[in-house]
Amino acid sequence: DADVTQTPRNRITKTGKRIMLECSQTKGHDRMYWYRQDPGLGLRLIYYSFDVKDINKGEISDGYSVSRQAQAKFSLSLESAIPNQTALYFCATSGNELTDTQYFGPGTRLTVL
Amino acid sequence: SQKIEQNSEALNIQEGKTATLTCNYTNYSPAYLQWYRQDPGRGPVFLLLIRENEKEKRKERLKVTFDTTLKQSLFHITASQPADSATYLCALGGDYKLSFGAGTTVTVRA
Repeated sequence: DADVTQTPRNRITKTGKRIMLECSQTKGHDRMYWYRQDPGLGLRLIYYSFDVKDINKGEISDGYSVSRQAQAKFSLSLESAIPNQTALYFCATSGNELTDTQYFGPGTRLTVL
Repeated sequence: SQKIEQNSEALNIQEGKTATLTCNYTNYSPAYLQWYRQDPGRGPVFLLLIRENEKEKRKERLKVTFDTTLKQSLFHITASQPADSATYLCALGGDYKLSFGAGTTVTVRA
């Protein structure tokens, strides 16, 4: 089984709808991250969490919120989706050492009409 | 603000040749740099890490250099194979976060 899973894998929604993307990991890591990827822009950090009680905004957090329900679960919500939030969303985890690598989930392709 | 630039053009090379990718950055002093591989429709996968006090790292057919004076990293794939075709991302690290470049797409022709 994959170490980092994301659900759903694909989602089409309409402007104004609330949507939640979920991420689960079995690596036992404390640190979890949410990114979005757009063509030509690379991965941009939305939110990150260093443990269940520590949640931080990334460079593009406006329009998003997160919830860290447990060490293994980190959810991303779009309270009122808009078309420019159409993107590929990735969840990632890492260990606690400074240089630890990040392990990415398979991604969620979100389309907002 | 910090800026990370990778080869803007896709790289198209013949099997067996060496692919060289560049990652340049400004307004940033990373403690380390990582390279990831991303296949279409999948999440990035870690390849190599190089710290700020290291000049070069190797792993099998991969080599990374890191020049903090030039603010540049070079990523080499030697004896390239069609299976090396993918997008390669550089990521600058500090404060337990990564800042990613947009990636360079490499296609290796048989």
